[in-house]
Amino acid sequence: SQTIHQWPATLVQPVGSPLSLECTVEGTSNPNLYWYRQAAGRGLQLLFYSVGIGQISSEVPQNLSASRPQDRQFILSSKKLLLSDSGFYLCAWVPTYQETQYFGPGTRLLVL
Amino acid sequence: AQSVTQLDSHVSVSEGTPVLLRCNYSSSYSPSLFWYVQHPNKGLQLLLKYTSAATLVKGINGFEAEFKKSETSFHLTKPSAHMSDAAEYFCVVSDDRAAGNKLTFGGGTRVLVKP
Repeated sequence: SQTIHQWPATLVQPVGSPLSLECTVEGTSNPNLYWYRQAAGRGLQLLFYSVGIGQISSEVPQNLSASRPQDRQFILSSKKLLLSDSGFYLCAWVPTYQETQYFGPGTRLLVL
Repeated sequence: AQSVTQLDSHVSVSEGTPVLLRCNYSSSYSPSLFWYVQHPNKGLQLLLKYTSAATLVKGINGFEAEFKKSETSFHLTKPSAHMSDAAEYFCVVSDDRAAGNKLTFGGGTRVLVKP
């Protein structure tokens, strides 16, 4: 069966420090992958999506970046975190030729 | 462009009474529509989806939604609320013509269930 993992579950980082959040999917191949951010009390904002290895589309300008070094691995990064980067980060995947998105458990990021 | 409006940001119900969460959408094409639920500090879980088959869609945990094209609505209902239904609910539209199967989310409705 297919599963999606995110780590870490919780992260507290100082302003100006780097960031690396990882998302992996098991039990499937060539999925579409997505990174969302959910700020406190707000809806979901799509940050990046990827339809294949090395293919990244950015939805909003920001100091975050994404990479897909392997088929089932999606990484969200930053060189220098801002206070406004705090939030709940969700990874999602879509099976090939389908449209339903399935979400991971999320990473809570607090930037101080 | 597509959009989703959830008409209530908060809904409060008593346990055992019906739940109604309202959603209206706008889409240039025949959309696929979804309802997701999010419990505190958790990821989103798919409740149900409409993909141009039956207009009344049954989901998990006793929820169902009816697609009404004439009203551009996709309201979510449950006949009897349970304490475990306390969560945030998102109405979502997908335009499969868009690159990357991107979704458009409503602002969410937070449900409070009173004992």
